[in-house]
Amino acid sequence: AQTVTQSQPEMSVQEAETVTLSCTYDTSESNYYLFWYKQPPSRQMILVIRQEAYKQQNATENRFSVNFQKAAKSFSLKISDSQLGDTAMYFCAFMKHGTGTASKLTFGTGTRLQVTL
Amino acid sequence: NAGVTQTPKFQVLKTGQSMTLQCAQDMNHNSMYWYRQDPGMGLRLIYYSASEGTTDKGEVPNGYNVSRLNKREFSLRLESAAPSQTSVYFCASSEARRSPWAGELFFGEGSRLTVL
Repeated sequence: AQTVTQSQPEMSVQEAETVTLSCTYDTSESNYYLFWYKQPPSRQMILVIRQEAYKQQNATENRFSVNFQKAAKSFSLKISDSQLGDTAMYFCAFMKHGTGTASKLTFGTGTRLQVTL
Repeated sequence: NAGVTQTPKFQVLKTGQSMTLQCAQDMNHNSMYWYRQDPGMGLRLIYYSASEGTTDKGEVPNGYNVSRLNKREFSLRLESAAPSQTSVYFCASSEARRSPWAGELFFGEGSRLTVL
């Protein structure tokens, strides 16, 4: 079974600054996906960024980028130029690569990020 | 663009009562899921339906049943509610597993359930 660990329950960052959220995972799989999801207050959870384990290049999506260290089983999220709208709970998630139709994700416990003025 | 719609948004039950959470998606997705979210525990998969006509247990299925009514709808039933089932429940749906959509779940707004 896979486990996903987010060791930072809460973080705070000032607007326009950069913040990094940490995530580690444990798996015996060699090929898999990793994700960061964002859950804004009272709004629906959405996918922020996705990384395929076989790709060495770190994924980026505008102000969001990841630092994927496969050997260390580490997958951190960097948010640059933080904005008030980035205030949310962030979840790291894991999914095995493989056959089947369903996308069964294992989520971490989340990091609550507060962006302040 | 409704996406994933869950009802009800809030519900208070007494121990032993039953209820059904309804979920519908309008994105023509094959797969649907029910998760529960508890403080300090993240989201845990209760049941999922890979495609119409199939359902499978997730990580925490005890005390729940599901029905994939058709491609759009996936309901979660608590037959005899217990205080341990107090939680926020999320329905989600997804397109095929193959990239570039792999792992992208579309979530509803959640249903907050309290069992007294």
